[in-house]
Amino acid sequence: DGGITQSPKYLFRKEGQNVTLSCEQNLNHDAMYWYRQDPGQGLRLIYYSQIVNDFQKGDIAEGYSVSREKKESFPLTVTSAQKNPTAFYLCASTNTRTSGGVSGELFFGEGSRLTVL
Amino acid sequence: AQSVAQPEDQVNVAEGNPLTVKCTYSVSGNPYLFWYVQYPNRGLQFLLKYITGDNLVKGSYGFEAEFNKSQTSFHLKKPSALVSDSALYFCAVRDARSGYSTLTFGKGTMLLVSP
Repeated sequence: DGGITQSPKYLFRKEGQNVTLSCEQNLNHDAMYWYRQDPGQGLRLIYYSQIVNDFQKGDIAEGYSVSREKKESFPLTVTSAQKNPTAFYLCASTNTRTSGGVSGELFFGEGSRLTVL
Repeated sequence: AQSVAQPEDQVNVAEGNPLTVKCTYSVSGNPYLFWYVQYPNRGLQFLLKYITGDNLVKGSYGFEAEFNKSQTSFHLKKPSALVSDSALYFCAVRDARSGYSTLTFGKGTMLLVSP
């Protein structure tokens, strides 16, 4: 079935370590996004990518990095520079090249919960 | 700049009663408006969207939403609530005039439906 796969579902990290969250989609979507969710704060955009080999910072990019080497994949690295990385991370995608263009809805993965010990 | 406000952190309703989850927005141009639902430790699921046309939009699971341009609102409604509707609901907006822009989400409203 088509969809977005995030892994791992749960991840524990020691302070000072970098971790990478995986996001893979087989929907043939061109645009992909990473959001961070904290209780009571809604979703905040970390990074997004509209095409391969290009990405833009969102509202809270500090301490994070991404790559977009393949259309299907958009991994997020949480670096040791991120001061408070414990959160629920959501990956999403959409197709901006259809007639719906930017009116299209986002499709979300099931999320990855990162806890810093 | 675009923004969304969900004024209620939590909405409580008895099963079988109608429910409303409120959302107001601010954009420079015309809005594209969306509602999503999230169950615990899950991703967001799309419910419905308003792009243009009829102000009353029907979506999944019996939900609907009414676009009101003069009040800049897009409230989510359902005629008869189910216990299984209990979840976190997010409203989101994108400015249609900006060419390409990302979605801005509200902080979410927890809906609790009691038996």
